[in-house]
Amino acid sequence: LAKTTQPISMDSYEGQEVNITCSHNNIATNDYITWYQQFPSQGPRFIIQGYKTKVTNEVASLFIPADRKSSTLSLPRVSLSDTAVYYCLAAGGSYIPTFGRGTSLIVHP
Amino acid sequence: DTGVSQNPRHKITKRGQNVTFRCDPISEHNRLYWYRQTLGQGPEFLTYFQNEAQLEKSRLLSDRFSAERPKGSFSTLEIQRTEQGDSAMYLCASSPPGTDYGYTFGSGTRLTVV
Repeated sequence: LAKTTQPISMDSYEGQEVNITCSHNNIATNDYITWYQQFPSQGPRFIIQGYKTKVTNEVASLFIPADRKSSTLSLPRVSLSDTAVYYCLAAGGSYIPTFGRGTSLIVHP
Repeated sequence: DTGVSQNPRHKITKRGQNVTFRCDPISEHNRLYWYRQTLGQGPEFLTYFQNEAQLEKSRLLSDRFSAERPKGSFSTLEIQRTEQGDSAMYLCASSPPGTDYGYTFGSGTRLTVV
């Protein structure tokens, strides 16, 4: 299982773009990179998933360099409601997704 | 289908009692996972089902813990002789067949052992 490393916490302000980087040096060929968001007293919520290059959906973008040893979750124009813990996972369909401690993002007014 | 449903949302029990939690996954999802999460930590894997077969169990799952998924539908997680250290959020997740789909989590069951 690829171990992931993320910053423990980040601070930002409303309207700013937030980039959270995750390193996964031991990522396997069949691993996908998936990001989750978790609010207090709720289960994690799927945000975005990718294998390589760039993936974009209505809430975020995911940038994955060619070596796939890291990835960056980009949240455009964050709001107070984006305050949450963000988890990066690197796992394939045949593996059990393993969560680290995640990145606690606090968005200030 | 409204997603992954977990019941109860909260459970307070006395030390030594048995508790059982239920998870109803999304109907077309054949994979089901149980996780445990304590304050300030990420979810820790407990066990995994593919259909009715329990394929993986974490070493965290002591002999006091048992999980079932009869007929590959809903799942139950039972904790016998609860201890204060069992106090945590117990999360259930499900996913469809395939390798490129995210996992859908329920809202969890908060267990407090007093």
